[in-house]
Amino acid sequence: DTGVSQNPRHKITKRGQNVTFRCDPISEHNRLYWYRQTLGQGPEFLTYFQNEAQLEKSRLLSDRFSAERPKGSFSTLEIQRTEQGDSAMYLCASSMDSHGYTFGSGTRLTVV
Amino acid sequence: ILNVEQSPQSLHVQEGDSTNFTCSFPSSNFYALHWYRWETAKSPEALFVMTLNGDEKKKGRISATLNTKEGYSYLYIKGSQPEDSATYLCAFLGGSQGNLIFGKGTKLSVKP
Repeated sequence: DTGVSQNPRHKITKRGQNVTFRCDPISEHNRLYWYRQTLGQGPEFLTYFQNEAQLEKSRLLSDRFSAERPKGSFSTLEIQRTEQGDSAMYLCASSMDSHGYTFGSGTRLTVV
Repeated sequence: ILNVEQSPQSLHVQEGDSTNFTCSFPSSNFYALHWYRWETAKSPEALFVMTLNGDEKKKGRISATLNTKEGYSYLYIKGSQPEDSATYLCAFLGGSQGNLIFGKGTKLSVKP
């Protein structure tokens, strides 16, 4: 297993465009998390899945954000009508229940 | 709102210096305290997962202690090396069904 993989590594987009990021977790992990990190802040929780069920969503996750985890494997995070304030590092992590959290390298989004 | 605080925000030391950082977290509903090391362009690397009051863990020159009753953890680095330069994050887990709540991190720079 190569760990948690995120694609793309970097994304530059114009304001108003839609973007989608992908996360491939460690295959035997049942939980998958999305975090967002902006300059000077620690990673902030966005949402998490247990298998294919989305169990919790942060208030940070506006209605322009949607996440899916079809079949409980990889996950996608889509941001519609991007705004400059969406510029951040988007981190994905996976775990088996609450053990063994492993993070990906993140996708850095820049909205211009 | 659960708050995880880290201090100092940044630290500049000389090679060979020993250093320590603090993480404070809610003392109620404690499940685990995680420490991560995050280098630029890499994924956050898990250092320690601490669960029991009085826990003390060690990995090479890095060690950590935990006090769940007063809600703090210390991370120590003995004989800092330039390769220790990174942001050190702590994260609180309140309950096995919860998600990690991160501090803002301590950015360590070690000069040769």
